Amino acid sequence: SQTIHQWPATLVQPVGSPLSLECTVEGTSNPNLYWYRQAAGRGLQLLFYSVGIGQISSEVPQNLSASRPQDRQFILSSKKLLLSDSGFYLCAWSLTSRPYNKQFFGPGTRLTVL
Amino acid sequence: AQKITQTQPGMFVQEKEAVTLDCTYDTSDPSYGLFWYKQPSSGEMIFLIYQGSYDQQNATEGRYSLNFQKARKSANLVISASQLGDSAMYFCAIRGTSYGKLTFGQGTILTVHP
Repeated sequence: SQTIHQWPATLVQPVGSPLSLECTVEGTSNPNLYWYRQAAGRGLQLLFYSVGIGQISSEVPQNLSASRPQDRQFILSSKKLLLSDSGFYLCAWSLTSRPYNKQFFGPGTRLTVL
Repeated sequence: AQKITQTQPGMFVQEKEAVTLDCTYDTSDPSYGLFWYKQPSSGEMIFLIYQGSYDQQNATEGRYSLNFQKARKSANLVISASQLGDSAMYFCAIRGTSYGKLTFGQGTILTVHP
């Protein structure tokens, strides 16, 4: 069966510090990978998606970047965090881009920027 | 562009009763999928049910059923025999043909009273 891991689970960082969040998927090959952010009490907003190694697409301009160095590894980064980067970050995977493929989420990382 | 509208910020239901959570959508994709996720206070996003745009029958998964009315562009979630553990945030989402990304609504907080 497939599992998705994210770490760290929680993170408190000062403004201006760097960020690296990691997501890994087990039990599948060449998945589509997604990074979402959820502000408090709100819905999820797609930040990045990847259909293969080294292929990253950004949905919204922002202070963050993403990379996919390995097939089942997806990393979210920032060189200098802003207060507005605080939120709940969720990684997700699906088999393909077809509308009927379910998308499964990791446990999330709760980021607080002070 | 795709859009999901959830007009009920909060809903209350008595234990063992049924409840309907509303969801309307808008999309220009000819083929799309509609999803419902549950997010308990822990933050994880739990997949509940899926309905394809070409599916003739309404989807059911245990106590969850999706009332799909294509002409009205609605995809309401029905939870039968509510349990205390059903108290959570519920999100409706749509997935079209654009790289499989999900577009979420703002969510509905469901509270189940004993």
